[in-house]
Amino acid sequence: GEDVEQSLFLSVREGDSSVINCTYTDSSSTYLYWYKQEPGAGLQLLTYIFSNMDMKQDQRLTVLLNKKDKHLSLRIADTQTGDSAIYFCAERNNAGNNRKLIWGLGTSLAVNP
Amino acid sequence: DAGITQSPRHKVTETGTPVTLRCHQTENHRYMYWYRQDPGHGLRLIHYSYGVKDTDKGEVSDGYSVSRSKTEDFLLTLESATSSQTSVYFCAISGSGVSGANVLTFGAGSRLTVL
Repeated sequence: GEDVEQSLFLSVREGDSSVINCTYTDSSSTYLYWYKQEPGAGLQLLTYIFSNMDMKQDQRLTVLLNKKDKHLSLRIADTQTGDSAIYFCAERNNAGNNRKLIWGLGTSLAVNP
Repeated sequence: DAGITQSPRHKVTETGTPVTLRCHQTENHRYMYWYRQDPGHGLRLIHYSYGVKDTDKGEVSDGYSVSRSKTEDFLLTLESATSSQTSVYFCAISGSGVSGANVLTFGAGSRLTVL
């Protein structure tokens, strides 16, 4: 079945760039998403990319999509301590009327001063 | 989180008791979802709704039921709570969206402990 995989932990120094990677198996994915979860809170959408794009930039965030390798990455430039959180990758396909997302387990980002 | 509230935010109950969690939205969104989040399992979909009285099962629906009698409310019921249902429960909503991106907006979560 469909699967989304992420590494579980990432540690970076404040001011460095963070790169969080995600791989997925569903070749019919239409949208891929990055959500952020801060401690004790719900998930919030960071950004998403449509499958016919290979890059999307939004301020400090850059999303790269390699459809051939089914690889998605999120780059956070100038990482700050406030970026410490869990980052979830998710994908959606358009099979039938399927609006359900397939989620990765999340990458816990620790930003060290 | 603006437009979506969950209640209660915290609940401790005993095995075998019924529990109802409520999700209320003010966004008039068509789609509503219940997820549970557990360490090592990420987010798992329990049930979702695509309109009033229209619901469908997710991947972990056993032991749960839902109801949606009006657009703004989506209830999750555990008929007889078990310790394995100790979890953090998240409600999410999404509209049809012009872009079709199906962006989810999440509630703050309800932490349920079953003793």
